[in-house]
Amino acid sequence: EDKVVQSPLSLVVHEGDTVTLNCSYEVTNFRSLLWYKQEKKAPTFLFMLTSSGIEKKSGRLSSILDKKELFSILNITATQTGDSAIYLCAVSPTGAQKLVFGQGTRLTINP
Amino acid sequence: DSGVTQTPKHLITATGQRVTLRCSPRSGDLSVYWYQQSLDQGLQFLIHYYNGEERAKGNILERFSAQQFPDLHSELNLSSLELGDSALYFCASSLTEKLNTEAFFGQGTRLTVV
Repeated sequence: EDKVVQSPLSLVVHEGDTVTLNCSYEVTNFRSLLWYKQEKKAPTFLFMLTSSGIEKKSGRLSSILDKKELFSILNITATQTGDSAIYLCAVSPTGAQKLVFGQGTRLTINP
Repeated sequence: DSGVTQTPKHLITATGQRVTLRCSPRSGDLSVYWYQQSLDQGLQFLIHYYNGEERAKGNILERFSAQQFPDLHSELNLSSLELGDSALYFCASSLTEKLNTEAFFGQGTRLTVV
């Protein structure tokens, strides 16, 4: 069965800190890994990763995929209170028309 | 705003009842996915429709059914509701049949069964 595990489940840091969120997966015929940010309601797309070792960057957020070790990390530098959210990692297997989600990491940034 | 519209936003109903959740995908998107998010389970894939046809089924109960209409909007029908069906139900849409691009999520329908 396809599985995605995120860690930590919860993280509380101070504004300005750098955080690293982890996502490991077991999936048959991996196609892509996606990161979403969920604040109040709808998850909003952050990154899609398909190739190992290529960093994707958007402002203070960056992510990288390791297809050999079956994991991805999401880094957030110089965190702000607006980064407080649940960060979801999802994997899309080849040929499967669905996303398999992890439990999410609840990130809280204190001022 | 993702462009995906879900109605209603909130729904409170009694056990044993039946409800219908509605989703309008982004303009041009042919795929609609339904997900259930409960506190203890995270986001669980329910079902996927592409251009009116069912393409994949996930952890969807027999009491639940869905369909996608010719105008591409989709409905998720939940019947014989139980307390455990209380959750946030999300619809997402994407352009193609295969998830090789990002999926856009609606704001969700919060269902409370009392």
